Amino acid sequence: AQSVTQPDIHITVSEGASLELRCNYSYGATPYLFWYVQSPGQGLQLLLKYFSGDTLVQGIKGFEAEFKRSQSSFNLRKPSVHWSDAAEYFCAVGARSGTASKLTFGTGTRLQVTL
Amino acid sequence: KAGVTQTPRYLIKTRGQQVTLSCSPISGHRSVSWYQQTPGQGLQFLFEYFSETQRNKGNFPGRFSGRQFSNSRSEMNVSTLELGDSALYLCASSLAGLATGSGNTIYFGEGSWLTVV
Repeated sequence: AQSVTQPDIHITVSEGASLELRCNYSYGATPYLFWYVQSPGQGLQLLLKYFSGDTLVQGIKGFEAEFKRSQSSFNLRKPSVHWSDAAEYFCAVGARSGTASKLTFGTGTRLQVTL
Repeated sequence: KAGVTQTPRYLIKTRGQQVTLSCSPISGHRSVSWYQQTPGQGLQFLFEYFSETQRNKGNFPGRFSGRQFSNSRSEMNVSTLELGDSALYLCASSLAGLATGSGNTIYFGEGSWLTVV
């Protein structure tokens, strides 16, 4: 069974500082990997995804993530955080085979941005 | 192009009642999935429909059911509501889901907030 661990429940960074949100997954092969962001009272917005190819993936809003097979990780990064980035971030994995077309989510990391 | 549309956005129900939530996927998308989000359990997969057939189901009781229509619109129903069913219910759509092996981006709607009192 697939699983996702986001070890940081809450992170606070200053505006303009760099950000890295950690995500580790457990899956028998290379999964599909996603990062979503959720603002209070809202649904999930896709930031980026990894399906195959280049392990460094660029997303929206200046975010990027790097897939590291050896570490089973898919960490999300942003070089300079803006106050509007304050939200909850979810990492998710999806299986590549079979009919298990579902996403398994981590517990999320809440990002607070100080001015 | 319109995104995933969920209705209603907010609703309050009484224990024992039933509720039906609706989801209109992005035009052309044939896979619709449903997720429940609660503070305690996080985001959990309910079920996925593809071409009117349930293709995958999560670990939820039989009170939770769904269906998909020929136009890909989907509904989920929860019968005999319990207080613990209070949650944000999210609908997600994609061209064909992930089971095809090629991978399809999955887009989420704004969700339906259900409060059971």
